[in-house]
Amino acid sequence: SQQGEEDPQALSIQEGENATMNCSYKTSINNLQWYRQNSGRGLVHLILIRSNEREKHSGRLRVTLDTSKKSSSLLITASRAADTASYFCATVPPQGAQKLVFGQGTRLTINP
Amino acid sequence: DAGVTQSPTHLIKTRGQQVTLRCSPKSGHDTVSWYQQALGQGPQFIFQYYEEEERQRGNFPDRFSGHQFPNYSSELNVNALLLGDSALYLCASSLGRSSQPQHFGDGTRLSIL
Repeated sequence: SQQGEEDPQALSIQEGENATMNCSYKTSINNLQWYRQNSGRGLVHLILIRSNEREKHSGRLRVTLDTSKKSSSLLITASRAADTASYFCATVPPQGAQKLVFGQGTRLTINP
Repeated sequence: DAGVTQSPTHLIKTRGQQVTLRCSPKSGHDTVSWYQQALGQGPQFIFQYYEEEERQRGNFPDRFSGHQFPNYSSELNVNALLLGDSALYLCASSLGRSSQPQHFGDGTRLSIL
């Protein structure tokens, strides 16, 4: 079963605009990760935020985590056509194996 | 530095058959996880192998089994294939019990006729 829900399921914006994707999850976590998947390819890790962190930046990416609301957001600034992909959040449980529990993903389309 | 490699890239089988998928982890990684991704869905965890043993298993039937070899490579076996097993099967590698990102291969696209 899926851990969380991504919102929106699909997002279409113009190149240069910012894109925001949200993720909600249900159980306690050790960390939350965001991955990108281009069509028909494997997943590429973007950023990891630990449960005791609230915000993290990496290049044009900004991730926030609110453990009280069990939610996270991914902001991509100054979007490019190459950012077109599906984006998934994945949670890692506090104990046990480092398995990833994915949401359903957000399909992002950047229009030139 | 080779990343995660999976073979074959595509496979077509019929119901009732058996299939074996293969994965070589990223250099330096010792843990392999397998995921099933149905079309339009997020990946679902099948199981994880570490030190040649299954460390954790997701909600998949016993028809799904695996193996890890001393060189850390891994196989996923699925018996008595069903139409619903059609999916992209992803292998991911990581290092030990560290809370680090997993590195994914490009997957094997399995189609069941």
